[in-house]
Parts: sequence; structure tokens; C-alpha cells
Amino acid sequence: SAVISQKPSRDICQRGTSLTIQCQVDSQVTMMFWYRQQPGQSLTLIATANQGSEATYESGFVIDKFPISRPNLTFSTLTVSNMSPEDSSIYLCSVGGVLTSYEQYFGPGTRLTVT
Amino acid sequence: GENVEQHPSTLSVQEGDSAVIKCTYSDSASNYFPWYKQELGKRPQLIIDIRSNVGEKKDQRIAVTLNKTAKHFSLHITETQPEDSAVYFCAASMDYGGSQGNLIFGKGTKLSVKP
Repeated sequence: SAVISQKPSRDICQRGTSLTIQCQVDSQVTMMFWYRQQPGQSLTLIATANQGSEATYESGFVIDKFPISRPNLTFSTLTVSNMSPEDSSIYLCSVGGVLTSYEQYFGPGTRLTVT
Repeated sequence: GENVEQHPSTLSVQEGDSAVIKCTYSDSASNYFPWYKQELGKRPQLIIDIRSNVGEKKDQRIAVTLNKTAKHFSLHITETQPEDSAVYFCAASMDYGGSQGNLIFGKGTKLSVKP
């Protein structure tokens, strides 16, 4: 499987500020996704990061709040904008198309706390 | 859209016993069903998966079965060990023109294996 890294691993942010999370993969991948996992909960897809075009957002998530970039096949960023305490969560990127077209592997996650 | 139900939410077994976790899905177009294991503070790890053209898959002490007609799939762990204690998530996804789409997750099962 691919080696996936995320930066930062954790952060504590003030309400109203923004944080950009980076996801880096050590090989080119077809698909990159961003998920949110609230404490003790399951994983919820935020959006699919499309290389060279706008991300595809799931219901309940909007580009103004969670802008995403994917400039190439190994890197993506997720920004959490104008943060509130409700945004406190773990944000994970995942990648697909490494060994097969269907397996997905997760990055280590970014633990965000908004005060 | 797809909806994945997972049961039970918690499961406690004695070391050496078997554990079974069940999931149902709603969209008959889903064709890929992975299982992830998430230990506390760690990323979800893919432990086994099954595609819709296969009814059963086994990997050492872990097996997954799929019933397409009933739209349910199950994870079976035999000879459980304390290190199997974790939260297990099932998921479903479908193929979009040759690329596998995003994963829809169940709510998770917390498995505790008592020595």
C-alpha cells in the first residue's frame, strides 16, 4: 500500500480562524478523498478531491466552508474555514487506485480542536 | 443514496471465541465491501474486502461473506485474541465508470476480547 502522511497531526485553533490540512502520498493515486470522524463516531465523507478540477462535495458540506485543492496526483489540501467548536473532529484523507481501482487507504488523520 | 446499517454496536467475547459482525446495504449497485479495523487513536486499517462477484473470502482467522440477494455482508473472526479488540467498520461503494467511488460507512462495532 502507499505511504500517506498528513500535516499537521493535531492543532488547537481559535474560533473564526482557518486551518489547512495537507495530505501527501508517496506514489501517484487515482482517487483522493477527505473524511471527517467526530469523537466516537463513524467516518463521513466530506468530498472527493479531483485532480485539475473542482472537488465533488457530499450533502451537507460546501466549498466555502471546506475548500479543497488537488494540484497533482500525490497531494491534496483541505481547509476548514471560519471554524467553530462544532468543527472539532479528526480529518482523514484516503487514497484509492494504489494497488487496485477499489481499495482505499487512510492517512493518519489530523485532530482538530476549536476553542 | 446508499445507506449502510451495522450490528451490533458493541460486542464482547471471550478469548478464543468467534465474533460475527453484520452489515446491510440499501443500493443494489454497490459492488465493493471492505472492512476496516480502527484501534484507539489510530487510522482505520483495511483488513479484508469482498467484491460483488464473490460470495466469501477468507484470510487466516478473518472471513467475509456476502449475500447480494439479501444485500448483507458479514465479518467473521475466529479464535479471537485480545489484540482483536478495536472498532470495526463495514463500508460499501460502487463503481463509477472504472473508478471506485467513495465509501459509505456503517456506524461501527466496538469489539472487546476478554482474556
